[in-house]
Amino acid sequence: DIQMTQSPSSVSASVGDRVTITCRASQDISSWLAWYQQKPGKAPNLLIYAASNLQSGVPSRFSGSGAGTDFTLTINGLQPEDFATYYCQQANSFPLTFGPGTKVDIK
Amino acid sequence: QVQLQESGPGLVKPSQTLSLTCSVSGGFISSADHYWSWIRQPPGKGLEWIGYIYYRETSNYNPSLKSRLTISSDLSKNQFSLKLTSVTAADTAVYYCARQSNYVDTWGQGTLVIVSS
Repeated sequence: DIQMTQSPSSVSASVGDRVTITCRASQDISSWLAWYQQKPGKAPNLLIYAASNLQSGVPSRFSGSGAGTDFTLTINGLQPEDFATYYCQQANSFPLTFGPGTKVDIK
Repeated sequence: QVQLQESGPGLVKPSQTLSLTCSVSGGFISSADHYWSWIRQPPGKGLEWIGYIYYRETSNYNPSLKSRLTISSDLSKNQFSLKLTSVTAADTAVYYCARQSNYVDTWGQGTLVIVSS
């Protein structure tokens, strides 16, 4: 299985801040990476697919980059509704695997 | 717009079988365009992909669960189901059904299943 790691595990930020979350795969996954946002008690929501493609309906303040083993999710201008947990997921091979999550909370 | 809804018991005894059904509306599980999947999340923890069924009968399971797992479909009802045998407390989780290609673009609301005597 491909192992996914994320850093940091949590980050405290203020409205308007830029937040960057990193995801690393245990082997080369090309651009087969997605990012999800999950709010408490809710199902995850797809934000970014294929490393850098914004899912329909997702605000443009979210962006993704990277390829190979190292990826980044950036939130430019954090909004109150962005406080949540973010997961990366590799789609290079089955079983699909997720990172452990990064919690973004209010400073 | 596709919608998914999980149903099934919220409490299962250890060593018994966990059975859940996902009802799909707004789309057809017989479509070859997507996989129909199960994903779970233990309380306070991360996400684990369980497996999928695709285009009627093709399935793919997480090796960590494969020996206990069956995912099946009922095309007449536009539903797909999960059966997990010999459950333990480690199987306590919110279980989501979902639609995926390489990425999971649609999720059910999730259902909490507790394994306890």
